[in-house]
Amino acid sequence: AQTVTQSQPEMSVQEAETVTLSCTYDTSESNYYLFWYKQPPSRQMILVIRQEAYKQQNATENRFSVNFQKAAKSFSLKISDSQLGDTAMYFCAFANYGGATNKLIFGTGTLLAVQP
Amino acid sequence: EPEVTQTPSHQVTQMGQEVILRCVPISNHLYFYWYRQILGQKVEFLVSFYNNEISEKSEIFDDQFSVERPDGSNFTLKIRSTKLEDSAMYFCASRGTGGRETQYFGPGTRLLVL
Repeated sequence: AQTVTQSQPEMSVQEAETVTLSCTYDTSESNYYLFWYKQPPSRQMILVIRQEAYKQQNATENRFSVNFQKAAKSFSLKISDSQLGDTAMYFCAFANYGGATNKLIFGTGTLLAVQP
Repeated sequence: EPEVTQTPSHQVTQMGQEVILRCVPISNHLYFYWYRQILGQKVEFLVSFYNNEISEKSEIFDDQFSVERPDGSNFTLKIRSTKLEDSAMYFCASRGTGGRETQYFGPGTRLLVL
């Protein structure tokens, strides 16, 4: 069974600085996707970034980028130039590719606080 | 931009009552999901639905739960006899065809069982 582990329950960063959130996962599959979702206080789930396992190039979306290490089964999220609006819970998630359901398996989340 | 919508945003019910949570997925999506998040915990998969049938369900999704796509736009989750431990945020998600599509989430329904 696949598992997703986020070992940092809480993190804090100063506005405009850079922060990295960690995520590791375990799977025997070779084709899969990894995601970071953001959950602000409204509790809406917002997709931040996604990485396809077959791609060696790390995904980037504006200030958000990932460091995907497939052999180490590591998938960290880097937020550059942190903004107050980045304050939220961040969930790492895994999904198989091509399965019947492609259900998402989530980690326990990291609560990020951006300080002014 | 298309989005998943959910109603109601909040629901309070008495233990033992039936509730129906409603979702309108993105219009050209074919795969639908329900997830649950108990306060302070991670998001958990409940059920997936494709081609008018359940494709997978979790251990949480017992006989008290059912899903339905009653028409071409709505996707519902019914809890027949609510328990206190059903209090949670319920998220609907949908994705398009092909295994590469991302799941997009609705804003959630906050269910409180008293």
